[in-house]
Amino acid sequence: KNEVEQSPQNLTAQEGEFITINCSYSVGISALHWLQQHPGGGIVSLFMLSSGKKKHGRLIATINIQEKHSSLHITASHPRDSAVYICAQGGSQGNLIFGKGTKLSVKP
Amino acid sequence: DTGVSQDPRHKITKRGQNVTFRCDPISEHNRLYWYRQTLGQGPEFLTYFQNEAQLEKSRLLSDRFSAERPKGSFSTLEIQRTEQGDSAMYLCASSHRGWLAETGELFFGEGSRLTVL
Repeated sequence: KNEVEQSPQNLTAQEGEFITINCSYSVGISALHWLQQHPGGGIVSLFMLSSGKKKHGRLIATINIQEKHSSLHITASHPRDSAVYICAQGGSQGNLIFGKGTKLSVKP
Repeated sequence: DTGVSQDPRHKITKRGQNVTFRCDPISEHNRLYWYRQTLGQGPEFLTYFQNEAQLEKSRLLSDRFSAERPKGSFSTLEIQRTEQGDSAMYLCASSHRGWLAETGELFFGEGSRLTVL
């Protein structure tokens, strides 16, 4: 069974802190997606990666294929980063299997 | 192109009624996905299309659910004889699947929230 597990489920940080959200998956994947969901429901794709590391602004995503593990890092966190961060694994058939999300709250 | 659009944004209906949601993907995207999301959970896959062909359906998609993408552009998701358990956010996403790529970057709509009374 394909499962995607995220930790932590909830995370509260002070502005400026370095944040790490973890994602583990159970079977081989074609790609791992990190998504951001704001209150109200809109989802934005942050990263799609199948190996190594990607960086966009203050966001960094890494993946270790052998360990079936990915991390999303936020440097110099800001209150506007407060959202739910979701990882999803892409299977060979094209559909995605999502984790339950990590709710991040960054306090000023 | 303004991205993926969904209509209606919010639908309130009585149990037993039929509802239909529409999704207009980004025009050059050949893949279209439907997901369902309940409070506190991540999205759950329902079905997806490659152009007009429905390639996969989740077991979550019971006989009361049907999805179409007749011309390979917009898609509709119909729920017949709605039940209170159908209350959820229904999300549509589109992507472009290249010749080698399995799944391109996903672009999501704002979702259609269904409330069944």
